[in-house]
Amino acid sequence: EDKVVQSPLSLVVHEGDTVTLNCSYEVTNFRSLLWYKQEKKAPTFLFMLTSSGIEKKSGRLSSILDKKELSSILNITATQTGDSAIYLCAAYSGGYQKVTFGTGTKLQVIP
Amino acid sequence: DADVTQTPRNRITKTGKRIMLECSQTKGHDRMYWYRQDPGLGLRLIYYSFDVKDINKGEISDGYSVSRQAQAKFSLSLESAIPNQTALYFCATSDPNTGELFFGEGSRLTVL
Repeated sequence: EDKVVQSPLSLVVHEGDTVTLNCSYEVTNFRSLLWYKQEKKAPTFLFMLTSSGIEKKSGRLSSILDKKELSSILNITATQTGDSAIYLCAAYSGGYQKVTFGTGTKLQVIP
Repeated sequence: DADVTQTPRNRITKTGKRIMLECSQTKGHDRMYWYRQDPGLGLRLIYYSFDVKDINKGEISDGYSVSRQAQAKFSLSLESAIPNQTALYFCATSDPNTGELFFGEGSRLTVL
């Protein structure tokens, strides 16, 4: 059974802090690792990672995949209150061609 | 207009009632999904479909059924709703090469 585990489950930080969110996966015929940000509504896409060791960046957010360790991290530097959200990690399985989500990390950034 | 549209956006119903949530998409994707989201449990897959003739159960399909009426339409039914089906439901399509999901805005269902 495909499985994605995220840690921590929740996190409270102050504005300006740097945070690292973790994701590990076990899926059949892994194809890609996806990160989403969810505020009040539907998840919005952040990154897709397929190759190990190549960092994807978008502003203050960055992510990297380690296929040997079956894991990924999402880094957010200089956090802002607008970064408060649930961050979802998901793995795309080529075997069953479906996407399995972790439970998410709830990040709260306080002024 | 949104690429993936869900209706209704909010629904309150009573135990035992039949409920249908509808989803339509303009992405042109063959793959469509229904997920359920509960606090602390992330997104859990209910059903997914690769085309009109190919429908598959996800991890929590009991109590639900689906219909793929066309490439663009995928509906989720609760034949006899129960309170523990109170949740936020998302429809999504996916890029077949990357798995990137494109979500609807969600349908919040409350079963009393």
